[in-house]
Amino acid sequence: DQQVKQNSPSLSVQEGRISILNCDYTNSMFDYFLWYKKYPAEGPTFLISISSIKDKNEDGRFTVFLNKSAKHLSLHIVPSQPGDSAVYFCAASETGANNLFFGTGTRLTVIP
Amino acid sequence: EAQVTQNPRYLITVTGKKLTVTCSQNMNHEYMSWYRQDPGLGLRQIYYSMNVEVTDKGDVPEGYKVSRKEKRNFPLILESPSPNQTSLYFCASSLMGWASGNTEAFFGQGTRLTVV
Repeated sequence: DQQVKQNSPSLSVQEGRISILNCDYTNSMFDYFLWYKKYPAEGPTFLISISSIKDKNEDGRFTVFLNKSAKHLSLHIVPSQPGDSAVYFCAASETGANNLFFGTGTRLTVIP
Repeated sequence: EAQVTQNPRYLITVTGKKLTVTCSQNMNHEYMSWYRQDPGLGLRQIYYSMNVEVTDKGDVPEGYKVSRKEKRNFPLILESPSPNQTSLYFCASSLMGWASGNTEAFFGQGTRLTVV
């Protein structure tokens, strides 16, 4: 049973516009959330994270929002660039556990 | 350069023929783990290791073995591969492991395994 869900398999956005990738989770014990980006033929690379004590974390063009009551997080990319085209994975962990649960990924295509 | 190296990148094998996928990291990380990625299922953890000689099962350990005899290496062993183990495999390492929270993982480039 997927504890982390990304319900949009793909997303297309025009260059310069905002990309919003969504992620939902079911386990209320998760307290740390991460986003990974994956290019073809490469392993996932860490992008940004957020602790459950925060509701927003920003790093340059990337911002992650966490809504604990809705068990929902989102990644905003502004402005979107063609180099952002990749598969984005949402992941969650629980302090004290030893697993990182991943969503199924969203393929983002930024159109020049 | 900090990296996680997996070998081989691609492997086609036959059912029942034992194989090993190697994983090595040069960051002196204590925590290493193996994931498999399958369509519609995301990445699922197979095994993890908190340190040398300390390993434990993840979510999908059946059909796999691991060993951690030295800190830098964490091979994944398929004693008798079956077609349902056809997948994309990733090795990952991190400084302290997920249990400590607030840590990112570094992933290898992946090994695409096909079992026929």
